[in-house]
Amino acid sequence: SQQGEEDPQALSIQEGENATMNCSYKTSINNLQWYRQNSGRGLVHLILIRSNEREKHSGRLRVTLDTSKKSSSLLITASRAADTASYFCATDAGAETSGSRLTFGEGTQLTVNP
Amino acid sequence: DGGITQSPKYLFRKEGQNVTLSCEQNLNHDAMYWYRQDPGQGLRLIYYSQIVNDFQKGDIAEGYSVSREKKESFPLTVTSAQKNPTAFYLCASSIFPIRVGRHQPQHFGDGTRLSIL
Repeated sequence: SQQGEEDPQALSIQEGENATMNCSYKTSINNLQWYRQNSGRGLVHLILIRSNEREKHSGRLRVTLDTSKKSSSLLITASRAADTASYFCATDAGAETSGSRLTFGEGTQLTVNP
Repeated sequence: DGGITQSPKYLFRKEGQNVTLSCEQNLNHDAMYWYRQDPGQGLRLIYYSQIVNDFQKGDIAEGYSVSREKKESFPLTVTSAQKNPTAFYLCASSIFPIRVGRHQPQHFGDGTRLSIL
């Protein structure tokens, strides 16, 4: 099965509300990354959190990482209709010389209603 | 502007035919990757390359082949041996971690959608 598993699979909220997505993984990691994908497009990198970090912020995004529970969460505050997209977590669990080979979860489809 | 260009955007394959998907980057990245995405699913790694003239199989390499003759280019061939090729194919690149440290994001192209005729 996938290294990263996200929940919920789908999330529908109203504009202005906060959206929280969760990701669980199975093995030790170097870092965990969150990506966004608009329909029919490529992925866009949002934020990277290293295994020795617990929380990271970028604009309206807040990511937490709990390595003891092998889980991460992505919080989007004050959501906008333009935040509607699929969100994926990806884990880097490779050796130091193996390149940033990532394993992706199946994603959360976020819909923000105006 | 630097980025990754995938072409064509849409591609149709006939039975028994090999098709090649193009991926070009001008980010001066060492590492390049090919992923397959099925509807409603995450990405699965097909092949990746860390340096020119070298590449490794990912999780689902059967029925696919790649080459890396130039740093900027990493074409993917979907062979007739791939019996279920209909999917969205994404190419990505990243700086090789030995150069700048482990924690690097991947940069993605806008994908090629492959269908069977």
